[in-house]
Amino acid sequence: QVQVVQSGAEVKKPGASVKVSCKVSGNRLTDLYMHWVRQAPGKGLEWMGGFDPEDGETIYAQKFQGRVTMTEDTSTDTAYMEVNNLRSEDTAVYYCATPLKGISGAILSYWGQGTLVTVSS
Amino acid sequence: SSELTQDPAVSVALGQTVRITCQGDSLRSYYVSWYQQKPGQAPILVFFGENTRPSGIPDRFSGSSSGNTASLTISGAQAEDEADYYCNSRVRSVKHLWVFGGGTKLTVL
Repeated sequence: QVQVVQSGAEVKKPGASVKVSCKVSGNRLTDLYMHWVRQAPGKGLEWMGGFDPEDGETIYAQKFQGRVTMTEDTSTDTAYMEVNNLRSEDTAVYYCATPLKGISGAILSYWGQGTLVTVSS
Repeated sequence: SSELTQDPAVSVALGQTVRITCQGDSLRSYYVSWYQQKPGQAPILVFFGENTRPSGIPDRFSGSSSGNTASLTISGAQAEDEADYYCNSRVRSVKHLWVFGGGTKLTVL
């Protein structure tokens, strides 16, 4: 059984950056395809991007290209998602999530607990 | 605007059957996945693909699809089914991209 544990809440000022971590256990990160989803307060889920095994690279939703970077440290089975140049509208709970082993795409079976990022001056 | 459209809210009487729908052009080509989310919790995958219910999900949850519309049916809704439900699928024009529907708030009366 895969377990996913995320880093704690963050408070950042506009223009700053934030890096959220996501540690996987129960399976090696190299066997999984991590995705990131965010949810603004009172709003719906928004897919940010994820690893596509067909292309062998991380794919980003258009609105996050150039401002968001998703990386992995396979030695520690930890995924990271960094958002640069934060704006107030980036205030949200950020989730990492992954499909069942062997399934590609954002069919997300295992979710982290979420990390609240608050952007405020 | 989302490429997948859901009704914002649906209600059902306890024990009755309810269908939650998701519309989008991409659904003519790709399957949809369904997630349940309760307040303060991470989403849970409840149905995906042509006919797959993840382990641990009650069999009262089922899915179907026709044309550009996918449906999640809850047969005999229980009080604990009250939650937000989201669909997601690939983007029609760029298959490596994914999108969520806007969500449906289900109230069990």
